Amino acid sequence: EPEVTQTPSHQVTQMGQEVILRCVPISNHLYFYWYRQILGQKVEFLVSFYNNEISEKSEIFDDQFSVERPDGSNFTLKIRSTKLEDSAMYFCASSEWGGYANEKLFFGSGTQLSVL
Amino acid sequence: RKEVEQDPGPFNVPEGATVAFNCTYSNSASQSFFWYRQDCRKEPKLLMSVYSSGNEDGRFTAQLNRASQYISLLIRDSKLSDSATYLCVVTMAQGGSEKLVFGKGTKLTVNP
Repeated sequence: EPEVTQTPSHQVTQMGQEVILRCVPISNHLYFYWYRQILGQKVEFLVSFYNNEISEKSEIFDDQFSVERPDGSNFTLKIRSTKLEDSAMYFCASSEWGGYANEKLFFGSGTQLSVL
Repeated sequence: RKEVEQDPGPFNVPEGATVAFNCTYSNSASQSFFWYRQDCRKEPKLLMSVYSSGNEDGRFTAQLNRASQYISLLIRDSKLSDSATYLCVVTMAQGGSEKLVFGKGTKLTVNP
């Protein structure tokens, strides 16, 4: 089965530093997403991306966050100046179609971000 | 009311038991409903979609009651490998597209 690949699996950074989380979505997928899960909490939507632009974002996705698809295969999430509360597991996901076909959402195995 | 609310759990059951999870959602306009499974520190994985007519996949049965905004998952003859956190997931329209809204999950432990 095709899979979404995320790197690194773990990232430790100092507060105030910039981090870039990387994802390689499934090759024929058109819709890309970032979700996050703080330890012990629910999975939360951050942002969706289609046709090289953000289609939706949550209130969590403030000016410190940005996404990019720099080369047609990678999909990145950048946090400009990390805060302690950014510590979480970040999941990338992709789907072939948007809308109701969210049931075909494929998640990557996640990047555990720890901000010290 | 929380967007998606689940039984707090945890559930500890013996092998072979039948266990049921409940979920309610707040947005009556939600169109799609799912149960995901999440193992410890892993990504969510789709277990099954939930249809208005109810649907079954082997030992798993999902039900949807739109009028009550209620979703359920029944696991029969539970196995040790069913131990995981079960996430109720609902789509909610946001602008021109949808997003998945997750419940906090109910942890299940199946004991030998």
